[in-house]
Amino acid sequence: QVQLVESGGGVVQPGRSLRLSCAASGFTVTTYGMHWVRQAPGKGLEWVAHVGYNGDNLHYADSVKGRFTISRETSENTVFLHMNSLRVEDTAVYFCARDFSGQWTIDYWGRGTLVTVS
Amino acid sequence: QSALTQPASVSGSPGQSITISCTGTSSDVGTYNYVSWYQHHSGKAPKLLIYGVIGRPSGVSSRFSGSRSGDTASLTISGLQPEDEADYYCISYTRSSTWVFGGGTKVTVL
Repeated sequence: QVQLVESGGGVVQPGRSLRLSCAASGFTVTTYGMHWVRQAPGKGLEWVAHVGYNGDNLHYADSVKGRFTISRETSENTVFLHMNSLRVEDTAVYFCARDFSGQWTIDYWGRGTLVTVS
Repeated sequence: QSALTQPASVSGSPGQSITISCTGTSSDVGTYNYVSWYQHHSGKAPKLLIYGVIGRPSGVSSRFSGSRSGDTASLTISGLQPEDEADYYCISYTRSSTWVFGGGTKVTVL
């Protein structure tokens, strides 16, 4: 079955960098687009970034554009979120999620990894 | 990329029906048939309830239904049950080729 497992979260100082990983199983990332979504403490969900099934179609929320980069390693069936110039307001649980093909939305989600910028 | 507008909270008694609204603009909800709804219990992965405004994935109860009028989409929960108590989010694809969530609605079963 489809599984998404995030890792790489932790505590980091403002201005530093962090890389999150999302290990996918039950499907291949070369056939589905992937998203990152985050949820700050006590707040709602915020869409962060998307990569298309072919590795193109990269899109970002204005709040992270120029600082975050989404990428993937097909040999590992893994998606990454490279986060640079981190700010206190980037503190959140970061979820990896899969495209619902043809529906321009998300079907499966991971359980998230916590990033604390402090 | 302003968040879609949802009521902060909605409540109802068991067996009742409730409706959660999700208001966007002509750049998102009002133009694209790509509005979805998720149920989120804290600490768990969000669950897809509705896609494509009115579509329901297999395995999702028919008590959940979606609709849209103009720039506002809605999720209706019929026959409210205690396990429906959770946070609910809408999301829409946008003209900028990005996605935007609603602020979330906390549903309380009285």
